[in-house]
Amino acid sequence: AQTVTQSQPEMSVQEAETVTLSCTYDTSESDYYLFWYKQPPSRQMILVIRQEAYKQQNATENRFSVNFQKAAKSFSLKISDSQLGDAAMYFCAYRSPRPGTYKYIFGTGTRLKVLA
Amino acid sequence: NAGVTQTPKFQVLKTGQSMTLQCAQDMNHEYMSWYRQDPGMGLRLIHYSVGAGITDQGEVPNGYNVSRSTTEDFPLRLLSAAPSQTSVYFCASSRGIWTTQETQYFGPGTRLLVL
Repeated sequence: AQTVTQSQPEMSVQEAETVTLSCTYDTSESDYYLFWYKQPPSRQMILVIRQEAYKQQNATENRFSVNFQKAAKSFSLKISDSQLGDAAMYFCAYRSPRPGTYKYIFGTGTRLKVLA
Repeated sequence: NAGVTQTPKFQVLKTGQSMTLQCAQDMNHEYMSWYRQDPGMGLRLIHYSVGAGITDQGEVPNGYNVSRSTTEDFPLRLLSAAPSQTSVYFCASSRGIWTTQETQYFGPGTRLLVL
């Protein structure tokens, strides 16, 4: 069974600085999808970034980028130029691409605090 | 588009009571799912549906029922509420799992307290 681990329950970053959130996962599949979701105090889950395992290039979305290390089964999220609005819970998630599979596995989350 | 909507936003139940959490989406998405979020445990999948008339169990299905009579709606039923079901419930939908652009959209959540 697949598992997703986020070992940092809480992180802090100074406004305008860069922070990296860690995520590791365990799977025997060779192809899969990985996601980072943001959950602000409003509780709405918002997709931040997505990575397909077959793509070697790391995904980037504006100030958000990932460091995907397939062999190490690591999928970290880097937030550059941190803003106050980035303060939220961040969840890493895994999904298998197998036909008929629609099960996401989420990590336990990392709470990010942004200091003014 | 309203996206994914959930009602109610907050509910208090007594042990043994039943209720239905409503979820609707107006994006014509095939796939819908229910999660619960508990402190320190992330989101766990309760049930999901790959289309109208088709549902399947997720990781923690016990105590919950679902049905999918239309593409738009995916209600979650608690048959006999227990304090262990106190949680925040999220509904999500996505266009499909076959596309590389698949994105899961979440509703705003329902906070449930069972006394």
